[in-house]
Amino acid sequence: DAGVTQSPTHLIKTRGQQVTLRCSPKSGHDTVSWYQQALGQGPQFIFQYYEEEERQRGNFPDRFSGHQFPNYSSELNVNALLLGDSALYLCASSLLVRQTSFDYEQYFGPGTRLTVT
Amino acid sequence: DAKTTQPTSMDCAEGRAANLPCNHSTISGNEYVYWYRQIHSQGPQYIIHGLKNNETNEMASLIITEDRKSSTLILPHATLRDTAVYYCIVRFLSNFGNEKLTFGTGTRLTIIP
Repeated sequence: DAGVTQSPTHLIKTRGQQVTLRCSPKSGHDTVSWYQQALGQGPQFIFQYYEEEERQRGNFPDRFSGHQFPNYSSELNVNALLLGDSALYLCASSLLVRQTSFDYEQYFGPGTRLTVT
Repeated sequence: DAKTTQPTSMDCAEGRAANLPCNHSTISGNEYVYWYRQIHSQGPQYIIHGLKNNETNEMASLIITEDRKSSTLILPHATLRDTAVYYCIVRFLSNFGNEKLTFGTGTRLTIIP
């Protein structure tokens, strides 16, 4: 049973460019959340997707957008990159509707390390 | 979600029990206590969660005080692989809706050989 996978592993971009990060959820999961983790900080919630729609959003500008596909995989897009966008971007998958107490768990992927120069 | 307070760092000798405290004095009655850990350069990993009763699984035990204002995560026999940042998160849960996780800066636990 494959866990959460993310691609690419590392990425280097220049200020002003655009980037797309990809996530495949754990088998059977229907909800994908994205987090940004700056160096030395805990992950910060960006947004969550369910049924191809954004369900919740954290305090991030509109430059951050996402998409969820019918197979539940997801993309995170960041436009007009700033130096401050350099971070580890984490994807987490989960089930929206609880069936057991363990269905509240969010399973994280290994992350994509984005460096903006 | 209620705010949590954790020590910045802790050391523990290999083979001993590691006890990681967390204060959540503003927790409300329907909020759960969750613990995740993050080993260097990996995504966070779920450890355990509880509401008011003590919980145990194959990884750890969670002790929640009777007033629910604090809790302790116990790793019974710490190994070098338990070196990680440990996050205590308080979280409201509903039957419909897997709500976001609000991470603090966590406790950096170092297991010493």
